[in-house]
Amino acid sequence: AQSVTQLGSHVSVSEGALVLLRCNYSSSVPPYLFWYVQYPNQGLQLLLKYTSAATLVKGINGFEAEFKKSETSFHLTKPSAHMSDAAEYFCAVSFYNQGGKLIFGQGTELSVKP
Amino acid sequence: KAGVTQTPRYLIKTRGQQVTLSCSPISGHRSVSWYQQTPGQGLQFLFEYFSETQRNKGNFPGRFSGRQFSNSRSEMNVSTLELGDSALYLCASSTTGTGFDEQFFGPGTRLTVL
Repeated sequence: AQSVTQLGSHVSVSEGALVLLRCNYSSSVPPYLFWYVQYPNQGLQLLLKYTSAATLVKGINGFEAEFKKSETSFHLTKPSAHMSDAAEYFCAVSFYNQGGKLIFGQGTELSVKP
Repeated sequence: KAGVTQTPRYLIKTRGQQVTLSCSPISGHRSVSWYQQTPGQGLQFLFEYFSETQRNKGNFPGRFSGRQFSNSRSEMNVSTLELGDSALYLCASSTTGTGFDEQFFGPGTRLTVL
């Protein structure tokens, strides 16, 4: 079965510290991988996506993620957290034969302390 | 370009009633997907429409239905509402709805069932 697991429902970092949000997927076929961010009372905004080109993907707002097939992981990182990064982050997968269907992880709420 | 719009933004209904939610995709986008977001179950795929045809369906009861019009606008309907249907309903659009396409999300409709 295809699934996405995000380790840690809540992550707290200090402003300026490294942000690391973990995502692992389970799939028997190659996936497309995405990270979305959701601010309160808003929809989801795409941060970055992996579609089988470079394994290190750079996104908006200084975020990047590395696809590691051997570990079935797609962890999201940012070298230095900013207060405005506080939000909920979702990892998602899709597949070439399933149209626009996205399978989401449970989400990780990121808090940034001053 | 205008983003994805959803109406209404908030709805309060009572058990047993039915409700219709509307989604207007970004101009030129032909794929529209619907998701249910709840604190307990997270983000779950409801269905996807492409060129007025349902192309994919999630694991929801038949009370949940949808349709797409020739201008790509989409509606979803929930009949015989239950308390557990209280959720944020998100609509997303993309150009072709292929797995690697970026999906653009609307702000959602918050449905409360009393």
